[in-house]
Amino acid sequence: NAGVTQTPKFQVLKTGQSMTLQCAQDMNHNSMYWYRQDPGMGLRLIYYSASEGTTDKGEVPNGYNVSRLNKREFSLRLESAAPSQTSVYFCASSESAGPNTEAFFGQGTRLTVV
Amino acid sequence: GQQLNQSPQSMFIQEGEDVSMNCTSSSIFNTWLWYKQDPGEGPVLLIALYKAGELTSNGRLTAQFGITRKDSFLNISASIPSDVGIYFCAGRSNFGNEKLTFGTGTRLTIIP
Repeated sequence: NAGVTQTPKFQVLKTGQSMTLQCAQDMNHNSMYWYRQDPGMGLRLIYYSASEGTTDKGEVPNGYNVSRLNKREFSLRLESAAPSQTSVYFCASSESAGPNTEAFFGQGTRLTVV
Repeated sequence: GQQLNQSPQSMFIQEGEDVSMNCTSSSIFNTWLWYKQDPGEGPVLLIALYKAGELTSNGRLTAQFGITRKDSFLNISASIPSDVGIYFCAGRSNFGNEKLTFGTGTRLTIIP
């Protein structure tokens, strides 16, 4: 059971470089999310997609873009990486964005921007 | 935005001891979720709560949805070494965008 799969698991970027973090889920979930995790700050929502074809900003969207490619896949793009974007990034999915649904997480992408 | 205060930030206990942690919110939530995160892994769902006053168990773990809908508690009984990790609460409201808000986590360390 794959669940939520993120690639890559580790990445080092130079300031100004761009990259795309990939996420795919095989649970037929409608909603998908991107979070970043920084020490002492818990998980903060970057962007989410309540359903295929829709995306919305979360708490910390600046410097990121997302694409809901299809129901399975939700990618996060850094156009011009900055050291402040050094973090661990988690993708999650849930059956829907409604109140009685649970989010399931991938294993994370550890990104370092130098 | 909504704020979730989770306490304690860290705990150092001996194997076999019971553990209690809690989350409080500045606003009402309709869902409370508790996750555990092991080093290098993503958070894994432990318990989900959907009704005020609800008490739910998952093995040695018990969580409660506070009656005010602004807090939740997680208890772990008779801790074992594999309980080590970071525990996160998360809440979701019905108002507005229904996104999950996460607490800052409780890091549990078990002293041999």
